[in-house]
Amino acid sequence: DGGITQSPKYLFRKEGQNVTLSCEQNLNHDAMYWYRQDPGQGLRLIYYSQIVNDFQKGDIAEGYSVSREKKESFPLTVTSAQKNPTAFYLCASSSQRGSAYEQYFGPGTRLTVT
Amino acid sequence: AQTVTQSQPEMSVQEAETVTLSCTYDTSESDYYLFWYKQPPSRQMILVIRQEAYKQQNATENRFSVNFQKAAKSFSLKISDSQLGDAAMYFCAYRSAQGNEKLTFGTGTRLTIIP
Repeated sequence: DGGITQSPKYLFRKEGQNVTLSCEQNLNHDAMYWYRQDPGQGLRLIYYSQIVNDFQKGDIAEGYSVSREKKESFPLTVTSAQKNPTAFYLCASSSQRGSAYEQYFGPGTRLTVT
Repeated sequence: AQTVTQSQPEMSVQEAETVTLSCTYDTSESDYYLFWYKQPPSRQMILVIRQEAYKQQNATENRFSVNFQKAAKSFSLKISDSQLGDAAMYFCAYRSAQGNEKLTFGTGTRLTIIP
């Protein structure tokens, strides 16, 4: 089945450690995105990539880094510089073809940093 | 910058009844897309319905329909014959038709279905 996978579903880290969240898609989509979700807030864009080897900062990129070496993969690293890393992280992808380019989401990763 | 506002943090409806969720947005653009996403307790984001701004006809998907008022910058979601499985957070989202494909989300409305 085509879709987006994120692993792991739950992730626990100690403060000061970097952690990488995985996102893989087999939808042949060109664009991929990372969002952060906090209680009582909508999703906020961290980074996005429209083609391989290229990505742009979103609204809250500080303390995060990404890479896009393959079309299928867009890992997100939460660095120790991110002040409040505990959150729910959602990866999404969309096709450049079609009229509305709706985004399809993965199941998310819940990151807890203590 | 575009903003999306959902002024109803929580709503409830009796099973089989109809409920309308509100969404307003602010933009200076004339061409854009609007979406309603559903997030059930599993936290998987599911696209419910989309509307292209250039289309005057309101979008409909089975029991879900929208009331798109472009001049008023309003985009409400109507759920007819509410079912227990409709219980979720509902997010309204905006996307420009130009430039990057960033989605701007509202803060969501939690919908409870009363049996």
